[in-house]
Amino acid sequence: KQEVTQIPAALSVPEGENLVLNCSFTDSAIYNLQWFRQDPGKGLTSLLLIQSSQREQTSGRLNASLDKSSGRSTLYIAASQPGDSATYLCAADSGGGADGLTFGKGTHLIIQP
Amino acid sequence: DAGITQSPRHKVTETGTPVTLRCHQTENHRYMYWYRQDPGHGLRLIHYSYGVKDTDKGEVSDGYSVSRSKTEDFLLTLESATSSQTSVYFCAISVKREYTGELFFGEGSRLTVL
Repeated sequence: KQEVTQIPAALSVPEGENLVLNCSFTDSAIYNLQWFRQDPGKGLTSLLLIQSSQREQTSGRLNASLDKSSGRSTLYIAASQPGDSATYLCAADSGGGADGLTFGKGTHLIIQP
Repeated sequence: DAGITQSPRHKVTETGTPVTLRCHQTENHRYMYWYRQDPGHGLRLIHYSYGVKDTDKGEVSDGYSVSRSKTEDFLLTLESATSSQTSVYFCAISVKREYTGELFFGEGSRLTVL
């Protein structure tokens, strides 16, 4: 059974810093790894999808990497802003999209102005 | 925006009453999912559907049933609500990408069972 872990559970940094969020998974046979953002009281917003054949994906100030062999993915946020404050979740797709994703419990990020 | 609407967005009910949550999509995506989100547990899959009348159980399906009579609608029913089913429920759809699917979520339905 796939298990996904996110460390740290919470992180507070000053505005402007570059930061890395970590995600690890136990079963390396994944189809993709997806990163989401969740604001309080809201649904999940898809940030980046890394397919199993890819090593990284970039969108603006966000860069996500995937190392299947080590069971790790990282989300790099450059030049952090207060508006980046949210909970970030990663999820592994072990079933090709058919039976859903396995989620980590998230990293609660606070960017201090 | 993947065109997902959940209703109701908030509901308070009493133990033992039936509850139905609705998920509606404006596009014809095949795969739809129901998750629940709870502090300390994160997001857990309840049921999913891979087509009209085709559904299967997820990790936490006990006490829940689903139906999908049209491509655009996926219903989650709590036959007899219990306090342990107090949660935020999210519907999701999978949008097909090159070799896999990307999940998009609705805004959630907050259910309180008294």
